[in-house]
Amino acid sequence: DGGITQSPKYLFRKEGQNVTLSCEQNLNHDAMYWYRQDPGQGLRLIYYSQIVNDFQKGDIAEGYSVSREKKESFPLTVTSAQKNPTAFYLCASSIPGLRTEAFFGQGTRLTVV
Amino acid sequence: GEDVEQSLFLSVREGDSSVINCTYTDSSSTYLYWYKQEPGAGLQLLTYIFSNMDMKQDQRLTVLLNKKDKHLSLRIADTQTGDSAIYFCAEKGAPTSGSARQLTFGSGTQLTVLP
Repeated sequence: DGGITQSPKYLFRKEGQNVTLSCEQNLNHDAMYWYRQDPGQGLRLIYYSQIVNDFQKGDIAEGYSVSREKKESFPLTVTSAQKNPTAFYLCASSIPGLRTEAFFGQGTRLTVV
Repeated sequence: GEDVEQSLFLSVREGDSSVINCTYTDSSSTYLYWYKQEPGAGLQLLTYIFSNMDMKQDQRLTVLLNKKDKHLSLRIADTQTGDSAIYFCAEKGAPTSGSARQLTFGSGTQLTVLP
């Protein structure tokens, strides 16, 4: 089955630690995205990548980093510089273009303990 | 920047129609989307509408677009308890500077269906 897989589903981090969230897709999509979701605030774009080895900052990139070494994979690292990392993180992919919609993974809930 | 707004909550009785509203500011919006999110899950695309259309119907779902007022609505007929979820409106504008535009999402409307 084609789709987007995020792992883990739940992640706990101690303050001061970096953590990496995994996102893998087998849809052969060129574009991939990371969003952060907080209650009542909708989805905010962290980073996006239109093609392998290239990515751009979204609206709230501070404290996060990404890589795009393979088409299928777009991991997100939440660094210790992110002051309020507890949130639900969603990864998405799409074919770049005007009409194409984004397909989403099931999300990772990150909690700082 | 572009903005998409929705009311946060809506409650309806089972069997009634639900209408979820959305307003947006980007006049270059080309496609507008409705996504559904169930608890603890990702977003699932429900339907979309191109900006030169006024209405699109898909089974129990009807999307109305008033481009002049930049107002989008999603009507769910015969609402069921399984329709309880958060519904997100999203818009995609015209490509700029050679880079594909990402979606801009509203805050989401929590729909609660009462028995």
